[in-house]
Amino acid sequence: DIQMTQSPSSLSASVGDRVTITCRASQSISTYLNWYQQKPGKAPRLLIYAASTLQSGVPSRFSGSASGTDFTLTISSLQPEDFATYYCQQSYTTPRTFGQGTKVEIK
Amino acid sequence: QVQLQESGPGLVKPSQTLSLTCTVSGGSISSGSYYWSWIRQPAGKGLEWIGRVFTNGITNYNPSLKSRITISVDTSKNQFSLNLSSVTAADTAVYYCARESPGSRPLDYWGQGTLVTVSS
Repeated sequence: DIQMTQSPSSLSASVGDRVTITCRASQSISTYLNWYQQKPGKAPRLLIYAASTLQSGVPSRFSGSASGTDFTLTISSLQPEDFATYYCQQSYTTPRTFGQGTKVEIK
Repeated sequence: QVQLQESGPGLVKPSQTLSLTCTVSGGSISSGSYYWSWIRQPAGKGLEWIGRVFTNGITNYNPSLKSRITISVDTSKNQFSLNLSSVTAADTAVYYCARESPGSRPLDYWGQGTLVTVSS
């Protein structure tokens, strides 16, 4: 199985901060990397697919990038509604695998 | 707008079979090159991919669960289903159904999730 390692596992930030979350794949997955946001008691929501393509309806403050097996989710200016847990997921092969999640909390 | 809704028992006894159905509305389950997927999440933990089914019945399963899983599709009812046999307390989780879209294969539509507790 491809292992997806996210860092950090949690972070505290303030409204307006720039936030960066990293995900590393254990082997090459090209750009088959997706990012999801999950709020408590809710299903995950697709934010970014193919490493850097913004899903329809997702605010432009979210962006994604890739460099080899390292992937980054950036929130350019954190908003109150962005406090949530974020997961990366590889869709290069089965079984699909997720990172362990990054919880973004209010400082 | 596609919507997915999980249904099934919220309580299953140990050693029995967990059975869930996902009903798709707002579009035909047969149209397009979509895979229909199951994902689960134990309380306070991360997401685990269970498996998926294509509309022709072809399946892919997580090897960690493969011996216990069956995922099937019923195009006449616009539904797909999950059976997980020989359950234990470790199978207690929120179970989500989701659609995997063509191209880079993201999970773009999700059900709201259903909690299944394994307990006697």
